[in-house]
Amino acid sequence: DQQVKQNSPSLSVQEGRISILNCDYTNSMFDYFLWYKKYPAEGPTFLISISSIKDKNEDGRFTVFLNKSAKHLSLHIVPSQPGDSAVYFCAASDESNFGNEKLTFGTGTRLTIIP
Amino acid sequence: DSGVTQTPKHLITATGQRVTLRCSPRSGDLSVYWYQQSLDQGLQFLIQYYNGEERAKGNILERFSAQQFPDLHSELNLSSLELGDSALYFCASSPPRRELNEQFFGPGTRLTVL
Repeated sequence: DQQVKQNSPSLSVQEGRISILNCDYTNSMFDYFLWYKKYPAEGPTFLISISSIKDKNEDGRFTVFLNKSAKHLSLHIVPSQPGDSAVYFCAASDESNFGNEKLTFGTGTRLTIIP
Repeated sequence: DSGVTQTPKHLITATGQRVTLRCSPRSGDLSVYWYQQSLDQGLQFLIQYYNGEERAKGNILERFSAQQFPDLHSELNLSSLELGDSALYFCASSPPRRELNEQFFGPGTRLTVL
């Protein structure tokens, strides 16, 4: 049962344009969401997060939007740069489940920025 | 560099063998998590330790076991290896007091079972 889904395995975007990566979840207990970026031969790197009490969080070129009613979140990267080419993972956790802080990951979206 | 180290970087072994993967968390972090990433899959949570004690278990096979030592480094032991165990194994750590669950990942160990 895939509780966190990233339905687009890959995405290509022109440099300078907006990249939008999407993520859906099914578990209504999830209340904290994160995006990780992963380059080949490296571990995932934390990018940005959002708590369920918010619907938007912004950090520089990166903005995450959360729509709780639709159980959907998205990551916007503006403007996209060649260095953004990587695999992006959406992850979720249930922060009320103290003692089990595991992250549930989606399968990732490979973003390619075209120069 | 996340501050989490994992050794070895690569491991090639045969079916039926046993291997040990090692992880050192960031300085000051008490929690260690192990994740498995198979080909084109997301990361699957295996197990979590907190200050030496097992805290949570995920989809970890009985052939796999882990422990966290007094110096907080952790080892993941994989035995009776099968071809399907070939994967990337990541370790992550998080600090003892944190507002929200940000985990910091090591570079991973790539296990190939032939």
